[in-house]
Amino acid sequence: AAGVIQSPRHLIKEKRETATLKCYPIPRHDTVYWYQQGPGQDPQFLISFYEKMQSDKGSIPDRFSAQQFSDYHSELNMSSLELGDSALYFCASSSYAGTEQYFGPGTRLTVT
Amino acid sequence: AQKITQTQPGMFVQEKEAVTLDCTYDTSDQSYGLFWYKQPSSGEMIFLIYQGSYDEQNATEGRYSLNFQKARKSANLVISASQLGDSAMYFCAMREPNTGANSKLTFGKGITLSVRP
Repeated sequence: AAGVIQSPRHLIKEKRETATLKCYPIPRHDTVYWYQQGPGQDPQFLISFYEKMQSDKGSIPDRFSAQQFSDYHSELNMSSLELGDSALYFCASSSYAGTEQYFGPGTRLTVT
Repeated sequence: AQKITQTQPGMFVQEKEAVTLDCTYDTSDQSYGLFWYKQPSSGEMIFLIYQGSYDEQNATEGRYSLNFQKARKSANLVISASQLGDSAMYFCAMREPNTGANSKLTFGKGITLSVRP
């Protein structure tokens, strides 16, 4: 079965640089969620989209922005990167009426 | 207050034995969902099992079962016949409300399980 696809899988950036993370949800899933997991931490919700509109917002820094496109893929844009942004970034998808939420493999971002 | 509490320290289990991982939750919603995910050292987040707040039967998925005690607000994961590949971090998570576009997951701190040969 098709799963959530994230790219890139690994990313190394320097402080103050920008990064773009991409997420392709499971086919026919219309809702996308972004989570950030710091080293040794539990995943924290950042932002979600339903039918290309932002549906909920969590602890996402102002330096980050995201959107969902017409083909339902989503991108998380991160600017002025800081050392503390080093983390595993997950995208998850679900259908509006669905119960399960499936995670992608994650993008491991390292900021040096 | 924490919504999801996983307080067990690192857990150890002998291969082929059963193990229970504890999870308690706090919510005032009537409609919510409870999830368990497995995160091996490679980092991916693997969905294991789901229990809806209105489900009368405990959820089961292969070797995984969820011991859902609504009045006590607990949703413990039971892994039967442990295998070496079960060694991982296990997260309990809750979604409230249970469906819809605002249904983000809130995670507990996780429990590390080590399976001994």
